Amino acid sequence: QSVLTQPPSVSGAPGQRVTISCTGSRSNIGAGYDVHWYQQVPGTAPKLLIYANTNRPSGVPDRFSASKSGTSASLAITGLQADDEADYYCQSHDTSLSVAFGGGTRLTVL
Amino acid sequence: QVLLVQSGAEVKKPGASVRVSCKASGYTFSNYDITWVRQAPGQGLEWLGWISADTGNTKFAQRFQERVTLTTDTFTGTAYMELRSLTSDDSALYFCAREARTVDAYCDYWGQGTLVTVSS
Repeated sequence: QSVLTQPPSVSGAPGQRVTISCTGSRSNIGAGYDVHWYQQVPGTAPKLLIYANTNRPSGVPDRFSASKSGTSASLAITGLQADDEADYYCQSHDTSLSVAFGGGTRLTVL
Repeated sequence: QVLLVQSGAEVKKPGASVRVSCKASGYTFSNYDITWVRQAPGQGLEWLGWISADTGNTKFAQRFQERVTLTTDTFTGTAYMELRSLTSDDSALYFCAREARTVDAYCDYWGQGTLVTVSS
């Protein structure tokens, strides 16, 4: 059981907007720790998508955005494309575990 | 460019140990830290631990504290993860990742992964 809860799956048609939630608690996101997001195509290494709640590394399209509020965070993808199909993970720090990952969300592009 | 290249796949028997290496290039090794993460088949990411590349200070997930050793060789720019007393539950893809030294660190570059299979 992950301390950060994500929906197991989301889906959307090309061009649509989807959001992925990441729900934590007062010992992680709610304690003020930053949230980071990773994209992983199954069988390959994760790729940093968003760091420190809202920041995109160089090369990540602005179709990807994220926010954080209270004990939760959210990743939004607009203008959905076929190659966005992947698993998405949130990550934060936790006062008891040091580093926590969400359980992951499989994005399917219909 | 920044690269983390991990050692090849391993097959181990239950009770054995495995050592995975992670050779870094394209940046000053001692200026960043290394995190180790694993992923069991069909499962999510699980954090194992962290090592400071210059001081050797470590932090571990509680459930691995007794079985994992993390080390670095600053001369070769290589990090190592050793996991002992293997069981079938340890069969997974093991990743090393570079961690920036920020307040709430994140992993900005990842190795390609090393598949560890534990089977009798």
